[in-house]
Amino acid sequence: GAVVSQHPSRVICKSGTSVKIECRSLDFQATTMFWYRQFPKQSLMLMATSNEGSKATYEQGVEKDKFLINHASLTLSTLTVTSAHPEDSSFYICSVKGSLGETQYFGPGTRLLVL
Amino acid sequence: QKEVEQDPGPLSVPEGAIVSLNCTYSNSAFQYFMWYRQYSRKGPELLMYTYSSGNKEDGRFTAQVDKSSKYISLFIRDSQPSDSATYLCAMSAGSQGGSEKLVFGKGTKLTVNP
Repeated sequence: GAVVSQHPSRVICKSGTSVKIECRSLDFQATTMFWYRQFPKQSLMLMATSNEGSKATYEQGVEKDKFLINHASLTLSTLTVTSAHPEDSSFYICSVKGSLGETQYFGPGTRLLVL
Repeated sequence: QKEVEQDPGPLSVPEGAIVSLNCTYSNSAFQYFMWYRQYSRKGPELLMYTYSSGNKEDGRFTAQVDKSSKYISLFIRDSQPSDSATYLCAMSAGSQGGSEKLVFGKGTKLTVNP
């Protein structure tokens, strides 16, 4: 399967600041990348789907102006949480999918804590 | 009715036991079925991937899909303490089937006691 990294693995920031999370596919051409959010003891909630070079498609209820997604290449996608607030504190996980097959491979996740 | 139902457990078994994890679903368009293992504070790790109905075996793990019953299972033989994790079922209709999005179960928390 694909090897996916995320950076940073953990971030603490003050309320009102912006945080950028990187997702890299190290050995796999990721035509599609997904961003999920996971709250404690809950399953993954899809936030958005992005295809390389295209605008991301956001799930209902996810603010596209707050969660900015850029998928500039087949190996890199970024999620920027703008003007973060304590309720944005969560575990953010990306996944990648190739043009063939339907399997998604997940990154290790980024834990965000907004004070 | 939720699209994917999974008993959240928790499930506690002794080392060496056979573990059976299950999910049911309602969307007949689902054709791709996966099981992920997620350790605490980590991203999900793909365990098994099955297309359509049938069985698939990989070491101590066996995945079964019964599309007629809309029921999927994961069996773990000779369970080990290192198998203690949350197991998530996930499925999709696929890009050709209308949606590549994965729909997840809530996850079953498994503890294997030494």
